[in-house]
Amino acid sequence: DAGITQSPRHKVTETGTPVTLRCHQTENHRYMYWYRQDPGHGLRLIHYSYGVKDTDKGEVSDGYSVSRSKTEDFLLTLESATSSQTSVYFCALRQSLDSPLHFGNGTRLTVT
Amino acid sequence: GQNIDQPTEMTATEGAIVQINCTYQTSGFNGLFWYQQHAGEAPTFLSYNVLDGLEEKGRFSSFLSRSKGYSYLLLKELQMKDSASYLCAVRSIDQTGANNLFFGTGTRLTVIP
Repeated sequence: DAGITQSPRHKVTETGTPVTLRCHQTENHRYMYWYRQDPGHGLRLIHYSYGVKDTDKGEVSDGYSVSRSKTEDFLLTLESATSSQTSVYFCALRQSLDSPLHFGNGTRLTVT
Repeated sequence: GQNIDQPTEMTATEGAIVQINCTYQTSGFNGLFWYQQHAGEAPTFLSYNVLDGLEEKGRFSSFLSRSKGYSYLLLKELQMKDSASYLCAVRSIDQTGANNLFFGTGTRLTVIP
């Protein structure tokens, strides 16, 4: 989707290091989400945001934090990366609570 | 919690019809979505059902029965490019009012000549 940019697209990091993933949107949508996707688990919700400075935990939030200081950016931080956080991370957004989610192209994170 | 089940893999022949089933058990059900995901790419939205019945969109149709906790995605006139994973997702509203999507593990469809 041209309106959602995730960075970086790929990252390899070492256990114990902090990592921040960025999701940037140009759609001015209020609702933003971070999911991770792993074989056998599907997409699982990490954190979400209903607006600037308004965030909440999803089903797999342990080890992750988020921040949303402006509408267009939603940051996901791994304070101290672990090998279990090796995954593909997708940002998603939707225009309203009745709308479908639209996904960014994903970030492949490997923690060694 | 959410419990969403769909077959892991399916194979079908080019030009044929295939039905991908999804069953769910969830509290606060508020709609069901189907997404397509090609390998290495992002999921893309296919269809949405909130009321019982069939929604048709070109070669793709989706059906929902709320009383049975059951949906299916029907793909007609299969093409090779339809080889992908198909994700069933349930929208649920919890007791705090949070409105989020929960995904099944996906069905990998392989279309063969």
